[in-house]
Amino acid sequence: GAVVSQHPSWVICKSGTSVKIECRSLDFQATTMFWYRQFPKQSLMLMATSNEGSKATYEQGVEKDKFLINHASLTLSTLTVTSAHPEDSSFYICSVTNQGENYGYTFGSGTRLTVV
Amino acid sequence: DAKTTQPPSMDCAEGRAANLPCNHSTISGNEYVYWYRQIHSQGPQYIIHGLKNNETNEMASLIITEDRKSSTLILPHATLRDTAVYYCIVSKNSNYQLIWGAGTKLIIKP
Repeated sequence: GAVVSQHPSWVICKSGTSVKIECRSLDFQATTMFWYRQFPKQSLMLMATSNEGSKATYEQGVEKDKFLINHASLTLSTLTVTSAHPEDSSFYICSVTNQGENYGYTFGSGTRLTVV
Repeated sequence: DAKTTQPPSMDCAEGRAANLPCNHSTISGNEYVYWYRQIHSQGPQYIIHGLKNNETNEMASLIITEDRKSSTLILPHATLRDTAVYYCIVSKNSNYQLIWGAGTKLIIKP
């Protein structure tokens, strides 16, 4: 299956600042990547679908102007949390689909964001 | 809403087989059953998937009932490192959005 690298693994930032999270597909050209958010003791919630070379598709209730997604190449998608607030503190996870292999999704290791 | 139902938690002794049930009574004919697990503070990890037949790989076995309304994930010799939340998901294939339920928190005890 695909290998996905997510960076950073954790970050602490001040309220009002922006944070960028990178998701790289190391051995697989990913036309589509997915971004999830997971609050403590809750399940994963899909935030948006990132499409290479085009605009991301956001799930209902997710602010596209706050969570900026860029998928400029087949191996890199970035999620930028703009003007972060404490309520944005969460575990952010990216994933890619192993199209053609039917092995399901491969996930990054996640990014723990804490906004203080 | 998730299309599967799982017990919220289970315990299993180290070295024994862990059997995790999942109900998916509304599964359609072209939907697969996927199992993932999430160890604390990590991204989910693919375990196994199946359509109709039982499946086995190096991690686990998947037993699907004949009517496909339920399935069981079997970890044959559980170790402490298998402690995680296990998610059962039905999906047409890997290209479709996965809808995550609450999963089963499996605790392996020494």
